[in-house]
Amino acid sequence: QKEVEQDPGPLSVPEGAIVSLNCTYSNSAFQYFMWYRQYSRKGPELLMYTYSSGNKEDGRFTAQVDKSSKYISLFIRDSQPSDSATYLCAMSVNTNAGKSTFGDGTTLTVKP
Amino acid sequence: SQTIHQWPATLVQPVGSPLSLECTVEGTSNPNLYWYRQAAGRGLQLLFYSVGIGQISSEVPQNLSASRPQDRQFILSSKKLLLSDSGFYLCAWSPGGMAGELFFGEGSRLTVL
Repeated sequence: QKEVEQDPGPLSVPEGAIVSLNCTYSNSAFQYFMWYRQYSRKGPELLMYTYSSGNKEDGRFTAQVDKSSKYISLFIRDSQPSDSATYLCAMSVNTNAGKSTFGDGTTLTVKP
Repeated sequence: SQTIHQWPATLVQPVGSPLSLECTVEGTSNPNLYWYRQAAGRGLQLLFYSVGIGQISSEVPQNLSASRPQDRQFILSSKKLLLSDSGFYLCAWSPGGMAGELFFGEGSRLTVL
């Protein structure tokens, strides 16, 4: 079993929809949780970075961490076609982001 | 501002040929540097990381090697490529020390035939 599980999708939604992307994990030592967005044939870019449990909001994006359930989510409000990308969750035990464990990614398409 | 450059963007190589991918970071000093491989539809697999010149840690035993000849230069190499080396290779950096953010290059797509 993988340490980090992420539904690969693909997920297709109409423009303006609320999108929910999720990851589950098994390692209770994970303390830092990240979401990356990766456009086709490009490198990932960091979207959200959170520590421990709770919510963090940045514009249309909200990251949620529930350590008791070992479950993290990324919500995208008012989704736009430009949000079409693969979203990767990542987690680490400490602040050394390079040693993060990544999910396999969820591919999202937002249709105009 | 900091930037990361990675090249070549795309290459097709025959089995048994050598490989050299290069990555440079600008606008920062003493970064942590990383090489990842991403298989199609999969997450990122950490191959090598470096916390300083000449300091390389290997995460996965394989046909590849890495070197850091200068503070902001990271090179991924192979003497003889295998078919299984095909994939999307990503260089990344994070601020030196224990810092949480990771910044990726544009990637290099390698096809071994």
